[in-house]
Amino acid sequence: GAVVSQHPSRVICKSGTSVKIECRSLDFQATTMFWYRQFPKQSLMLMATSNEGSKATYEQGVEKDKFLINHASLTLSTLTVASAHPEDSSFYICSAPGQGNYNEQFFGPGTRLTVL
Amino acid sequence: AQSVSQHNHHVILSEAASLELGCNYSYGGTVNLFWYVQYPGQHLQLLLKYFSGDPLVKGIKGFEAEFIKSKFSFNLRKPSVQWSDTAEYFCAVSLGVDSSYKLIFGSGTRLLVRP
Repeated sequence: GAVVSQHPSRVICKSGTSVKIECRSLDFQATTMFWYRQFPKQSLMLMATSNEGSKATYEQGVEKDKFLINHASLTLSTLTVASAHPEDSSFYICSAPGQGNYNEQFFGPGTRLTVL
Repeated sequence: AQSVSQHNHHVILSEAASLELGCNYSYGGTVNLFWYVQYPGQHLQLLLKYFSGDPLVKGIKGFEAEFIKSKFSFNLRKPSVQWSDTAEYFCAVSLGVDSSYKLIFGSGTRLLVRP
């Protein structure tokens, strides 16, 4: 089956530092990946659509200069939280549509970011 | 804007009770519908999905859902829950290629099954 991994699974950093989160499709290629944020006890909110070889598409209200997305290959998308602050603490999840069926997405295990 | 509503935020059941979780969406066109489950400390897993065809779909672990187009609903059901069903359940909608396959999630329902 289609497997999506994320690294790291958990990160704790000081306020003002930048954090990079990787999302990989392990056994398939993904020209598109999606990044979500999930606050405690809340649902997943789509942040942006990552497109291989082109700029990401951000949802309304998401700062593109704060959440930098790079989709440099068909199996890797990265989300960098620039100058992270405590309010950026959240659970970040990526997903990728399956090959041959873009209607079904496969989710990574998520990355818990805690900014002190 | 499209939205997904889950009316039950918290549900507590005893083992063997029947379960029905409501999900309604707001979009008049063709939709793809999903139910995902998130067990404590784990990532999202697909329970079932509806793209087309038979509106009653069966998923894993004995779950099923019924798509009622006239009611814009996709309720999740299970005849007899188990303690291991304790988790958070998310309904999601995709508009397919019309929305670049983005998923819109409901707010989730936390299910607690008491032994």
